[in-house]
Order: sequence, then structure tokens, then C-alpha cells
Amino acid sequence: DTGVSQNPRHKITKRGQNVTFRCDPISEHNRLYWYRQTLGQGPEFLTYFQNEAQLEKSRLLSDRFSAERPKGSFSTLEIQRTEQGDSAMYLCASAPTDTQYFGPGTRLTVL
Amino acid sequence: GQNIDQPTEMTATEGAIVQINCTYQTSGFNGLFWYQQHAGEAPTFLSYNVLDGLEEKGRFSSFLSRSKGYSYLLLKELQMKDSASYLCAVRFRDSNYQLIWGAGTKLIIKP
Repeated sequence: DTGVSQNPRHKITKRGQNVTFRCDPISEHNRLYWYRQTLGQGPEFLTYFQNEAQLEKSRLLSDRFSAERPKGSFSTLEIQRTEQGDSAMYLCASAPTDTQYFGPGTRLTVL
Repeated sequence: GQNIDQPTEMTATEGAIVQINCTYQTSGFNGLFWYQQHAGEAPTFLSYNVLDGLEEKGRFSSFLSRSKGYSYLLLKELQMKDSASYLCAVRFRDSNYQLIWGAGTKLIIKP
């Protein structure tokens, strides 16, 4: 399967802990996006990479969130000092140009 | 900011036709996407419209009127597997070309 993959698929953590998620995009896609989605809502943009450069970051994103794409291939999203409000589905998408293709997501539950 | 408006929920009968509408503010419009999302899964790409008119792709068609800030997704010969949320996403020049997503329309298909 050459689609977008994300790990882990599910993560349960306690409030205050740090978590890290990984996204492996489709190999020839140079654009990579992270979104957060809660029940009954559309995806909310978090950040965007073109190759290894982080070109856009949502102004709504707190300093507890950070993302990297060190070699322009896989990406990681880290949330520090998690809060209950961080509970959501975290989606990664990659794109060659305009159309974004999503991975299966990582569902985060913060207790 | 830009708002993407779609009905929250629609119900239709197996074998019938349903039209899901999406409206947006016209200023800075740069393209519109439709995605399908089954419960607990990631969004999957359905269509992309940047010019006025109808794009047909099998049982699914998407229409765009840029002057009216209006799009619809038309689903024909409905099948039970079409029960899902349908997300409208718009790209605007003044959002640095990132997608702004509607909350989605939950489509319920009844036998």
C-alpha cells in the first residue's frame, strides 16, 4: 500500500504528558499537512510543509504544538503538556499539487 | 474570516438522487474540493472545481458557480455505502492557499 500512513492509530495519555505522532506521506508528494478534527466538525488546519520547510502554521496553534519534517519525507507532530481539550483525531495529508490525500489519522484521548 | 456553509444532515432513499449544497464568500476564491468521510475514517477525495460548471465522475457530480459562491455535490443511484459525511473545502488566496473546511453534511441513506 503506497498511501499515507500514520502511527500510532490510537493514543491514550494522561493530562500533562507529551505525545508524538508520525506521518509517512506518499513518497513523491512534497507537500504535507497536519489537521485536527473533532466530532461533527471539518478538519482544522494546523501546519503545512513543502519538502522540509514549514511554510505555514495556524495562528490558533499554541506553543505546545510543534511539527518537523527533517528530511522532507516523514513528519512528526508533538504535543507537549497535553490537555483534555487536545483530544481529537489528528490527520495528516500529502499532496503533489492541489489535491490532498489523507492518512487514517491518529485518535488522541487525553484523560 | 471565511465561512463555509453546508446543511448539517440530510436523509435520502436508496436508489434516489440527492444534492448537497455548499456556500462560501466569493472574495479571493481559488478552488473548491469535495471529500467523503465515513465515520471514524479519514476524508477521501471526490472532486475539485476551479471553473464554473459541472464535473461528472460516475455516480457523483460537482457543480460550481463562482459568482454566486455556490457549489453542490450530486449523488445519483444512491447506495447504502454512500452513508457518510460530505465535506466541502475552499481554498482562498488570502488564507495563503490553505483549505477552509465546512463542518460537513451527514448523509443518511434509508432502504
